[in-house]
Amino acid sequence: NAGVTQTPKFRVLKTGQSMTLLCAQDMNHEYMYWYRQDPGMGLRLIHYSVGEGTTAKGEVPDGYNVSRLKKQNFLLGLESAAPSQTSVYFCASTPGQLTTDTQYFGPGTRLTVL
Amino acid sequence: DAKTTQPPSMDCAEGRAANLPCNHSTISGNEYVYWYRQIHSQGPQYIIHGLKNNETNEMASLIITEDRKSSTLILPHATLRDTAVYYCIVRALGEDMRFGAGTRLTVKP
Repeated sequence: NAGVTQTPKFRVLKTGQSMTLLCAQDMNHEYMYWYRQDPGMGLRLIHYSVGEGTTAKGEVPDGYNVSRLKKQNFLLGLESAAPSQTSVYFCASTPGQLTTDTQYFGPGTRLTVL
Repeated sequence: DAKTTQPPSMDCAEGRAANLPCNHSTISGNEYVYWYRQIHSQGPQYIIHGLKNNETNEMASLIITEDRKSSTLILPHATLRDTAVYYCIVRALGEDMRFGAGTRLTVKP
């Protein structure tokens, strides 16, 4: 089991460029999440998905889009990157939204927007 | 509004117990207390969770006060590898996991 993997690990963009971050999990989890973490701060939820074909907004969704076409993959897109989106992005998954469910996190993608 | 309050930083001597406090004075009856940690910008790692009883696993112990308004995470024999940011999270069924700033624990030799 690879667990939760994220691609790429690092990326530098220019303002206005677009990109897609890929999150993959091989644990057959229903729920998947995208977070961002700015320096010295905790994680903030961007978008999440409760199952294949579904997505929902989190705490800071503006400037991002997501898709969950396959159960094992959750894509995060930036259509027009801005310097304010410079951050570390973490993906997580969980079997289901039960109180006792724990989240399994990927290693993160470090994104810099110039 | 933050549901939890944690000290921003703590130190602990290697081999000693690390006791990390968390205040959650507005916790509801259906909310659990979770602890995660994040080592050196890696993805957060689950440690332990509980509702009202004390819990113990191979990593740590969780002590929840009787009124449930505060809790303490105990690492019984801290090592240098336990240096990390520790997050205390209060969460109910159907809610998202909301991470605050956490406590930066530094284990010193």
